[in-house]
Amino acid sequence: AQTVTQSQPEMSVQEAETVTLSCTYDTSENNYYLFWYKQPPSRQMILVIRQEAYKQQNATENRFSVNFQKAAKSFSLKISDSQLGDTAMYFCAFMKHGLFANAGGTSYGKLTFGQGTILTVHP
Amino acid sequence: NAGVTQTPKFQVLKTGQSMTLQCAQDMNHNSMYWYRQDPGMGLRLIYYSASEGTTDKGEVPNGYNVSRLNKREFSLRLESAAPSQTSVYFCASTGAEAKNIQYFGAGTRLSVL
Repeated sequence: AQTVTQSQPEMSVQEAETVTLSCTYDTSENNYYLFWYKQPPSRQMILVIRQEAYKQQNATENRFSVNFQKAAKSFSLKISDSQLGDTAMYFCAFMKHGLFANAGGTSYGKLTFGQGTILTVHP
Repeated sequence: NAGVTQTPKFQVLKTGQSMTLQCAQDMNHNSMYWYRQDPGMGLRLIYYSASEGTTDKGEVPNGYNVSRLNKREFSLRLESAAPSQTSVYFCASTGAEAKNIQYFGAGTRLSVL
């Protein structure tokens, strides 16, 4: 079974500064996907960024980027130029690679989440 | 485009009562999921449906049942609610077009007294 660990329960950063959230995971799989989801006070789960394990290049999405270290099983999220709207709970998540083809069509795997990190951006 | 819709948004039950949480998606996704979120524990998978007509247990299935009514709808039922089931419940879906990205509903906050 896979496990995902976020060792920072809470983080804070000043507006316009950079912050890095940590995530480590444990798996025996070679092919998998990693995700960062954001959950603002509205409670809605919003995808921030997605990384495919077989890709060496770190994923980036505007101000968000990851540092993916496959050998170390580490997947940290860097938020640059932090904004007040970045205040949220951030979850790291793991999905084993694999398409499950059946009579209903192609379907996908299950997510294993970390415990979450509460990020507060101060003005 | 509504995405994933969950009803109700809030619910208070007494111990022993039953209820069904509804979930519907309009993205033509094959796979649907139910998670619960508890403080300090992230989201944990309760049940999932890889495709219409199939359901499987997740990490924490005890005390719950599910029904994949059709491709759009996936319901979660609590037959006899217990205080330990006080939580926030999320439904999610994904499919081929989504490239394994799961899209979530807004959640249901359930309190069992």
